[in-house]
Amino acid sequence: KAGVTQTPRYLIKTRGQQVTLSCSPISGHRSVSWYQQTPGQGLQFLFEYFSETQRNKGNFPGRFSGRQFSNSRSEMNVSTLELGDSALYLCASRPDTGAYGYTFGSGTRLTVV
Amino acid sequence: TQLLEQSPQFLSIQEGENLTVYCNSSSVFSSLQWYRQEPGEGPVLLVTVVTGGEVKKLKRLTFQFGDARKDSSLHITAAQPGDTGLYLCAVSNTGNQFYFGTGTSLTVIP
Repeated sequence: KAGVTQTPRYLIKTRGQQVTLSCSPISGHRSVSWYQQTPGQGLQFLFEYFSETQRNKGNFPGRFSGRQFSNSRSEMNVSTLELGDSALYLCASRPDTGAYGYTFGSGTRLTVV
Repeated sequence: TQLLEQSPQFLSIQEGENLTVYCNSSSVFSSLQWYRQEPGEGPVLLVTVVTGGEVKKLKRLTFQFGDARKDSSLHITAAQPGDTGLYLCAVSNTGNQFYFGTGTSLTVIP
């Protein structure tokens, strides 16, 4: 069974630009969540999608957005990049909600210069 | 204010030693998970606990969920270099959104 695939693995962008990150969940998993990980803040929840609908959203500005497609693949977009957006962005999938654990991808390392 | 407090923040021990790391909160949760993350990779789920007082064992790792479902501990027996990593706990009330602690960074020296 293939794991959660995130692309690209590394990105370098300039302040003010926008970026799109991609995530392919495990086949059959309908819930996809995105997290931002930084050394100071740890893992911070961005949002969760389930069957193409955003079901939960964390406390991030509107520059952070996402979507989910009918095949459960998900993308997240960050517009008007700031230096503080430099982080490891992790995608995680689950079969559904409840006590199921996440399966995480390897992440996308975004550096904003 | 952190919802979850993990301690210690850093831990460096010799191979073969035992250790315990903790995950504490003032709130009650319906479920708690432990993950291990290695550098440059995403976290990997180790265990999910849902019942107060529950104890689960995974080879040399023993996980306990507090009776009041506010805290948890992870005990590793005879640590090995392969146990090195960032140990994260995560909790949820709704099952839809999980809150992660900042983790315990463990280094096991050969």
